Amino acid sequence: DGGITQSPKYLFRKEGQNVTLSCEQNLNHDAMYWYRQDPGQGLRLIYYSQIVNDFQKGDIAEGYSVSREKKESFPLTVTSAQKNPTAFYLCASRMRGTYLFGPGTRLTVL
Amino acid sequence: GQQLNQSPQSMFIQEGEDVSMNCTSSSIFNTWLWYKQDPGEGPVLLIALYKAGELTSNGRLTAQFGITRKDSFLNISASIPSDVGIYFCAGQLFTGNQFYFGTGTSLTVIP
Repeated sequence: DGGITQSPKYLFRKEGQNVTLSCEQNLNHDAMYWYRQDPGQGLRLIYYSQIVNDFQKGDIAEGYSVSREKKESFPLTVTSAQKNPTAFYLCASRMRGTYLFGPGTRLTVL
Repeated sequence: GQQLNQSPQSMFIQEGEDVSMNCTSSSIFNTWLWYKQDPGEGPVLLIALYKAGELTSNGRLTAQFGITRKDSFLNISASIPSDVGIYFCAGQLFTGNQFYFGTGTSLTVIP
């Protein structure tokens, strides 16, 4: 079955540490996205990539970094520069008019 | 970025009642998508609409692509407790590839 996987489901990090969230898709979709979701708020775009080895900043890219070395993978690194990283992170991929989400990773900073 | 106005923000209904929600924009869209998100999970695609005036059903769910291309509607008939969750709309501008999202409608179904 094709789909998007994110790991881990839950992640705990100490302040000052970088952490990387995984996103993999086997849908052969070209475009991939990372969103942040806070309680009671909508989805906010962090980064997106339309093609391998290319990515663009979204609305809230500060404190985050990404890479797109393979079509199926789009990992997100939350750096120590991100002031308030505790949130639910969603990865998505798009092909033509279909936009699908992964199951999400909940990051908590201790 | 582009904003989609989704209403209502929340709904509390009795089991068996019908539900209506909508999304509006000031821009023209060529695609509307509707999702449901359960707590702690990613949004799941319910219905996709690609043509103005299109009416599409998925079980008890029916969605419509507004004829002005600036709005979309989702109806749920005969609600049941498992309909509880947050419903999101998403639209793709007529020009460009990026999708924009509504802020969600939180649905609570009272047994």
